[in-house]
Amino acid sequence: IAGITQAPTSQILAAGRRMTLRCTQDMRHNAMYWYRQDLGLGLRLIHYSNTAGTTGKGEVPDGYSVSRANTDDFPLTLASAVPSQTSVYFCASSEGGGRNQPQHFGDGTRLSIL
Amino acid sequence: GENVEQHPSTLSVQEGDSAVIKCTYSDSASNYFPWYKQELGKGPQLIIDIRSNVGEKKDQRIAVTLNKTAKHFSLHITETQPEDSAVYFCAASSGNTPLVFGKGTRLSVIA
Repeated sequence: IAGITQAPTSQILAAGRRMTLRCTQDMRHNAMYWYRQDLGLGLRLIHYSNTAGTTGKGEVPDGYSVSRANTDDFPLTLASAVPSQTSVYFCASSEGGGRNQPQHFGDGTRLSIL
Repeated sequence: GENVEQHPSTLSVQEGDSAVIKCTYSDSASNYFPWYKQELGKGPQLIIDIRSNVGEKKDQRIAVTLNKTAKHFSLHITETQPEDSAVYFCAASSGNTPLVFGKGTRLSVIA
């Protein structure tokens, strides 16, 4: 089934450890996004990429980095995890590079930092 | 930057009744307004969207209205069913900025 695949589905991580969340899409969408979802705060954009080779900062980028080496993959890295990064992380993609396009979401990674 | 406010945060309706969720936005340049439905353990799914060149759009039991002058847009679900129970998010974008989401509405349809 075409769409977005996120891995892992859940993870418990010790504070200070490095973690990479994986995201792959098979729709050949140009734009990709990472959000975090926290209770009562909705979806907040961490980083985005309008096309392969480019990235941009969202609303809450601190403590996170991304790369976009090709069209299909958009990994999110926590260099040194902290408890405040406990959240559910969603990857999304959209056609073209413009923002006025429907976004397609994966089913998320539930991350707990202890 | 854009700020999107969504109300109510929770909503309970009887099966068969209508549900209305309202959002306001701050950036008058915003011209794209999608609505997403999120079921438990899943990612958000687009259910309907509207662009600023139309005032209303319908898709079966779902409709969205847009008032650009007042900078608000609403989601209307008629003849609600238990499977409509979920969290709903509105969002807004100007095209030059990423989507900004509301904080969500938890809809419960009581059979």
